[in-house]
Amino acid sequence: KNQVEQSPQSLIILEGKNCTLQCNYTVSPFSNLRWYKQDTGRGPVSLTIMTFSENTKSNGRYTATLDADTKQSSLHITASQLSDSASYICVVSAQTGANNLFFGTGTRLTVIP
Amino acid sequence: EAGVVQSPRYKIIEKKQPVAFWCNPISGHNTLYWYRQNLGQGPELLIRYENEEAVDDSQLPKDRFSAERLKGVDSTLKIQPAELGDSAVYLCASSLSPQGWTEAFFGQGTRLTVV
Repeated sequence: KNQVEQSPQSLIILEGKNCTLQCNYTVSPFSNLRWYKQDTGRGPVSLTIMTFSENTKSNGRYTATLDADTKQSSLHITASQLSDSASYICVVSAQTGANNLFFGTGTRLTVIP
Repeated sequence: EAGVVQSPRYKIIEKKQPVAFWCNPISGHNTLYWYRQNLGQGPELLIRYENEEAVDDSQLPKDRFSAERLKGVDSTLKIQPAELGDSAVYLCASSLSPQGWTEAFFGQGTRLTVV
Protein backbone atom coordinates (compact mmCIF):
# COMPACT_ATOMS: atom_id res chain seq x y z
CA LYS A 1 0.00 0.00 0.00
CA ASN A 2 1.31 3.43 -0.94
CA GLN A 3 1.77 5.49 2.20
CA VAL A 4 3.60 8.57 3.40
CA GLU A 5 4.31 9.06 7.08
CA GLN A 6 5.71 12.19 8.67
CA SER A 7 7.21 12.91 12.05
CA PRO A 8 6.95 14.62 14.36
CA GLN A 9 3.28 15.51 14.15
CA SER A 10 4.03 18.90 15.69
CA LEU A 11 7.11 20.80 16.77
CA ILE A 12 7.77 24.00 18.70
CA ILE A 13 11.17 25.68 18.44
CA LEU A 14 12.72 28.99 19.39
CA GLU A 15 13.38 31.58 16.74
CA GLY A 16 16.88 31.20 15.32
CA LYS A 17 17.14 27.49 16.05
CA ASN A 18 17.39 24.72 13.48
CA CYS A 19 15.03 21.80 13.09
CA THR A 20 14.60 18.68 10.98
CA LEU A 21 11.37 17.11 9.80
CA GLN A 22 11.13 13.49 8.69
CA CYS A 23 9.23 11.70 5.95
CA ASN A 24 9.10 7.93 5.33
CA TYR A 25 7.28 6.49 2.35
CA THR A 26 6.35 3.20 0.74
CA VAL A 27 5.22 4.61 -2.62
CA SER A 28 6.25 2.53 -5.59
CA PRO A 29 7.27 2.93 -8.34
CA PHE A 30 8.81 6.15 -7.10
CA SER A 31 8.86 9.23 -9.30
CA ASN A 32 9.68 12.20 -7.07
CA LEU A 33 9.29 13.62 -3.60
CA ARG A 34 8.15 17.13 -2.79
CA TRP A 35 8.02 19.20 0.33
CA TYR A 36 5.24 21.75 0.58
CA LYS A 37 4.75 24.56 3.09
CA GLN A 38 1.18 25.34 4.01
CA ASP A 39 0.45 28.48 5.98
CA THR A 40 -2.75 28.54 7.98
CA GLY A 41 -5.70 29.26 5.73
CA ARG A 42 -3.70 28.99 2.53
CA GLY A 43 -2.96 26.34 -0.06
CA PRO A 44 0.32 24.37 -0.05
CA VAL A 45 3.30 25.99 -1.74
CA SER A 46 6.14 23.89 -3.12
CA LEU A 47 9.55 24.18 -1.43
CA THR A 48 11.56 21.47 -3.17
CA ILE A 49 11.07 18.60 -5.58
CA MET A 50 13.56 15.74 -5.73
CA THR A 51 13.90 12.87 -8.15
CA PHE A 52 15.42 9.45 -7.58
CA SER A 53 18.97 10.54 -8.39
CA GLU A 54 19.02 13.62 -6.16
CA ASN A 55 20.30 13.34 -2.59
CA THR A 56 20.10 16.96 -1.49
CA LYS A 57 18.35 20.07 -2.66
CA SER A 58 18.31 23.49 -1.05
CA ASN A 59 15.93 26.41 -1.26
CA GLY A 60 17.26 29.24 0.88
CA ARG A 61 17.16 28.13 4.50
CA TYR A 62 15.37 24.91 3.56
CA THR A 63 17.44 21.83 2.71
CA ALA A 64 15.80 18.56 1.71
CA THR A 65 17.54 15.20 1.61
CA LEU A 66 16.43 11.99 -0.01
CA ASP A 67 17.59 8.42 0.54
CA ALA A 68 15.78 6.42 -2.12
CA ASP A 69 17.21 3.15 -0.80
CA THR A 70 15.68 3.52 2.66
CA LYS A 71 12.74 5.56 1.31
CA GLN A 72 13.33 8.40 3.71
CA SER A 73 13.49 12.13 3.31
CA SER A 74 14.16 15.00 5.65
CA LEU A 75 13.59 18.73 5.54
CA HIS A 76 16.07 20.80 7.51
CA ILE A 77 15.26 24.38 8.37
CA THR A 78 18.19 26.58 9.35
CA ALA A 79 18.00 29.68 11.54
CA SER A 80 14.24 29.50 11.87
CA GLN A 81 12.10 32.60 11.60
CA LEU A 82 8.63 33.35 12.93
CA SER A 83 7.34 33.17 9.37
CA ASP A 84 8.41 29.52 9.18
CA SER A 85 5.44 28.66 11.39
CA ALA A 86 3.30 26.49 9.14
CA SER A 87 2.50 22.90 8.25
CA TYR A 88 5.08 21.10 6.16
CA ILE A 89 3.68 18.36 3.96
CA CYS A 90 5.68 15.61 2.28
CA VAL A 91 4.20 14.47 -1.04
CA VAL A 92 5.47 11.45 -2.94
CA SER A 93 4.63 10.91 -6.57
CA ALA A 94 4.30 7.50 -8.19
CA GLN A 95 5.22 6.92 -11.80
CA THR A 96 1.94 5.27 -12.62
CA GLY A 97 -1.62 5.18 -11.46
CA ALA A 98 -4.59 7.47 -11.76
CA ASN A 99 -4.02 8.84 -8.27
CA ASN A 100 -0.28 9.35 -8.35
CA LEU A 101 0.27 11.90 -5.57
CA PHE A 102 0.44 10.59 -2.01
CA PHE A 103 0.32 13.08 0.85
CA GLY A 104 1.64 12.84 4.36
CA THR A 105 -0.43 14.35 7.17
CA GLY A 106 2.14 17.07 7.70
CA THR A 107 4.26 18.40 10.56
CA ARG A 108 2.90 21.48 12.29
CA LEU A 109 5.88 23.75 13.09
CA THR A 110 5.54 26.66 15.48
CA VAL A 111 8.43 29.09 15.86
CA ILE A 112 8.27 31.20 18.99
CA PRO A 113 10.24 34.34 19.82
CA GLU B 1 1.27 35.11 -13.89
CA ALA B 2 -1.73 34.35 -11.75
CA GLY B 3 -1.72 31.12 -9.82
CA VAL B 4 -4.62 28.79 -9.25
CA VAL B 5 -7.64 30.88 -8.30
CA GLN B 6 -10.45 29.55 -6.16
CA SER B 7 -13.66 31.11 -4.96
CA PRO B 8 -15.20 31.67 -2.58
CA ARG B 9 -12.53 31.65 0.14
CA TYR B 10 -15.06 30.89 2.84
CA LYS B 11 -18.56 29.47 2.85
CA ILE B 12 -20.93 28.77 5.72
CA ILE B 13 -24.12 26.89 4.96
CA GLU B 14 -26.77 24.94 6.79
CA LYS B 15 -26.86 21.19 6.39
CA LYS B 16 -28.95 19.88 3.50
CA GLN B 17 -28.24 23.02 1.49
CA PRO B 18 -26.31 22.94 -1.80
CA VAL B 19 -22.92 24.58 -2.28
CA ALA B 20 -20.56 25.07 -5.20
CA PHE B 21 -16.88 25.87 -5.47
CA TRP B 22 -15.10 27.30 -8.46
CA CYS B 23 -11.53 26.86 -9.66
CA ASN B 24 -9.54 28.55 -12.40
CA PRO B 25 -6.27 26.68 -13.00
CA ILE B 26 -3.00 28.09 -14.27
CA SER B 27 -3.23 28.85 -17.97
CA GLY B 28 -2.08 25.92 -20.06
CA HIS B 29 -2.35 23.35 -17.29
CA ASN B 30 -4.22 20.34 -18.59
CA THR B 31 -4.45 18.47 -15.30
CA LEU B 32 -6.77 19.70 -12.59
CA TYR B 33 -7.27 18.18 -9.15
CA TRP B 34 -9.85 18.69 -6.43
CA TYR B 35 -8.76 17.75 -2.91
CA ARG B 36 -10.48 17.79 0.45
CA GLN B 37 -8.40 18.59 3.51
CA ASN B 38 -9.66 18.01 7.01
CA LEU B 39 -8.12 19.84 9.94
CA GLY B 40 -4.69 18.48 10.77
CA GLN B 41 -4.69 16.10 7.83
CA GLY B 42 -3.09 16.02 4.41
CA PRO B 43 -5.20 16.62 1.30
CA GLU B 44 -7.23 13.70 -0.05
CA LEU B 45 -7.94 13.43 -3.75
CA LEU B 46 -11.58 13.75 -4.78
CA ILE B 47 -11.25 13.91 -8.55
CA ARG B 48 -8.64 14.45 -11.22
CA TYR B 49 -9.26 15.85 -14.69
CA GLU B 50 -7.18 15.57 -17.82
CA ASN B 51 -8.57 18.40 -19.93
CA GLU B 52 -12.34 17.93 -19.69
CA GLU B 53 -12.23 14.23 -18.87
CA ALA B 54 -12.49 12.95 -15.31
CA VAL B 55 -9.82 10.24 -15.20
CA ASP B 56 -10.02 9.42 -11.51
CA ASP B 57 -13.16 10.04 -9.46
CA SER B 58 -13.00 6.90 -7.36
CA GLN B 59 -12.85 8.91 -4.10
CA LEU B 60 -15.70 11.26 -5.00
CA PRO B 61 -18.89 10.54 -2.99
CA LYS B 62 -21.08 10.47 -6.04
CA ASP B 63 -24.37 10.41 -4.18
CA ARG B 64 -23.89 14.04 -3.18
CA PHE B 65 -20.78 15.36 -4.91
CA SER B 66 -20.47 16.29 -8.56
CA ALA B 67 -17.84 18.08 -10.59
CA GLU B 68 -17.44 19.37 -14.07
CA ARG B 69 -14.74 20.94 -16.18
CA LEU B 70 -16.38 22.29 -19.25
CA LYS B 71 -14.00 23.19 -22.09
CA GLY B 72 -11.14 21.78 -20.08
CA VAL B 73 -10.34 25.01 -18.22
CA ASP B 74 -12.40 26.16 -15.22
CA SER B 75 -13.94 23.62 -12.93
CA THR B 76 -16.74 23.55 -10.40
CA LEU B 77 -17.27 21.17 -7.51
CA LYS B 78 -20.77 20.86 -6.10
CA ILE B 79 -22.20 19.28 -2.97
CA GLN B 80 -25.93 18.65 -2.74
CA PRO B 81 -27.09 18.22 -0.07
CA ALA B 82 -24.27 19.16 2.29
CA GLU B 83 -23.76 17.23 5.52
CA LEU B 84 -22.01 18.26 8.73
CA GLY B 85 -19.09 15.96 7.89
CA ASP B 86 -18.42 17.87 4.69
CA SER B 87 -16.90 20.73 6.68
CA ALA B 88 -13.31 20.96 5.40
CA VAL B 89 -11.03 22.94 3.13
CA TYR B 90 -11.50 22.15 -0.56
CA LEU B 91 -8.31 22.64 -2.54
CA CYS B 92 -7.92 22.87 -6.27
CA ALA B 93 -4.57 22.20 -7.92
CA SER B 94 -3.31 22.12 -11.48
CA SER B 95 -0.26 20.81 -13.32
CA LEU B 96 1.06 20.82 -16.86
CA SER B 97 0.66 17.12 -17.41
CA PRO B 98 -0.68 14.05 -15.66
CA GLN B 99 2.75 12.61 -15.14
CA GLY B 100 3.93 12.51 -11.57
CA TRP B 101 7.10 14.42 -12.30
CA THR B 102 5.38 17.71 -13.04
CA GLU B 103 4.72 20.05 -10.18
CA ALA B 104 1.21 20.63 -8.88
CA PHE B 105 0.28 24.18 -7.92
CA PHE B 106 -2.43 24.72 -5.34
CA GLY B 107 -5.04 27.39 -4.90
CA GLN B 108 -5.75 28.93 -1.51
CA GLY B 109 -8.72 26.70 -0.97
CA THR B 110 -12.32 27.19 0.04
CA ARG B 111 -13.08 26.65 3.71
CA LEU B 112 -16.54 25.14 4.02
CA THR B 113 -18.40 25.11 7.31
CA VAL B 114 -21.66 23.20 7.47
CA VAL B 115 -23.83 24.05 10.49
